[in-house]
Amino acid sequence: DQQVKQNSPSLSVQEGRISILNCDYTNSMFDYFLWYKKYPAEGPTFLISISSIKDKNEDGRFTVFLNKSAKHLSLHIVPSQPGDSAVYFCAASVRGTGNQFYFGTGTSLTVIP
Amino acid sequence: ETGVTQTPRHLVMGMTNKKSLKCEQHLGHNAMYWYKQSAKKPLELMFVYNFKEQTENNSVPSRFSPECPNSSHLFLHLHTLQPEDSALYLCASSHYPLLAGDPGEAFFGQGTRLTVV
Repeated sequence: DQQVKQNSPSLSVQEGRISILNCDYTNSMFDYFLWYKKYPAEGPTFLISISSIKDKNEDGRFTVFLNKSAKHLSLHIVPSQPGDSAVYFCAASVRGTGNQFYFGTGTSLTVIP
Repeated sequence: ETGVTQTPRHLVMGMTNKKSLKCEQHLGHNAMYWYKQSAKKPLELMFVYNFKEQTENNSVPSRFSPECPNSSHLFLHLHTLQPEDSALYLCASSHYPLLAGDPGEAFFGQGTRLTVV
């Protein structure tokens, strides 16, 4: 049973506009969330995280929003750049239980110049 | 070298072969992982080693056998695999949270693209 879901396999956005990637989870015990970015032929690289005590975390052009009641998080990229074209994975974990991360299937973002 | 390094990058093996995947991390982490990424599926956690001790084995078939001789090295020994085992195998490392704190992020290697014929 998939506990972390990314329902949009792909997304295309014009350069300079906002990219919004969505992620839903089913396990209410999850309280720590991460976004990873993956280029072809490379491993995923960490992008940004958020703990459930917050509803927003910002790092430069990247902002993650968490809606605990809806069990939903989103990643906003503003402004989008062609170099942002990659596959984005969200992941979830439970703090204090070690380090088991549950990943979504990924969303392939294409930023059109 | 820095980060997490996996070898080989590509591997083609027959169903009767025995091969091993290698992972090495130079980040001073104390936890290492094997993940499997199949097409259109989420990354699946296979094994977790914390302080060289295996703490997770997510119902992985015995034809996959992990080995963690020290906190910097991780192996995945493969034998009598099936074609459906063809996938990208990713190694990762992280700090193991000693207290009830944020897990922190895992750092991934580039993966081994495995094809079983």
